[in-house]
Amino acid sequence: GAVVSQHPSRVICKSGTSVKIECRSLDFQATTMFWYRQFPKKSLMLMATSNEGSKATYEQGVEKDKFLINHASLTLSTLTVTSAHPEDSSFYICSAPDYPEQFFGPGTRLTVL
Amino acid sequence: GDSVTQMEGPVTLSEEAFLTINCTYTATGYPSLFWYVQYPGEGLQLLLKATKADDKGSNKGFEATYRKETTSFHLEKGSVQVSDSAVYFCALYASGNTPLVFGKGTRLSVIA
Repeated sequence: GAVVSQHPSRVICKSGTSVKIECRSLDFQATTMFWYRQFPKKSLMLMATSNEGSKATYEQGVEKDKFLINHASLTLSTLTVTSAHPEDSSFYICSAPDYPEQFFGPGTRLTVL
Repeated sequence: GDSVTQMEGPVTLSEEAFLTINCTYTATGYPSLFWYVQYPGEGLQLLLKATKADDKGSNKGFEATYRKETTSFHLEKGSVQVSDSAVYFCALYASGNTPLVFGKGTRLSVIA
């Protein structure tokens, strides 16, 4: 099946810094990608829909100025956590649809000290 | 809107026991259905899928059949192993550029 990569897999940063997470579709083009956040022992929560060439669509309650999304090409979407704080520590996962399936990246574990 | 309901755990079984994790869905149209597994500290892995009614997905001894009449996609395995201990997520994918809709997950613990 298709492959989606994420980088980095783990990141530890200091409070107040910004962190960029990349999501790439390796062997197919994705005009849309999705960003999820997973809290410990919880299901995935959809944060936003990343659209190539246009603005991302954020779910209710997700701060767009805190979580900046850029879908620069048909194979790359980035999520930047700006001015990160400890409460932003979480597991972030991206996915890309290639109907009738969706393909998930391996996830990025962010720890903010 | 579309939704997925799965039995909430935790589920604790002895090795070689029979496993069933129930999953039902609500959707307009004909979604694709999936089971994902997440081992501790790892990302999601696709376990099996079914893209149309009456399809049976299977992998690693796990099976699930897409039942349109009961809007269900229950996960089964005849004999679980300790290595099956993980969280299992049922999900549906409606169409096009829409996100997956996940159930809340079921934590399975298998003891020797």
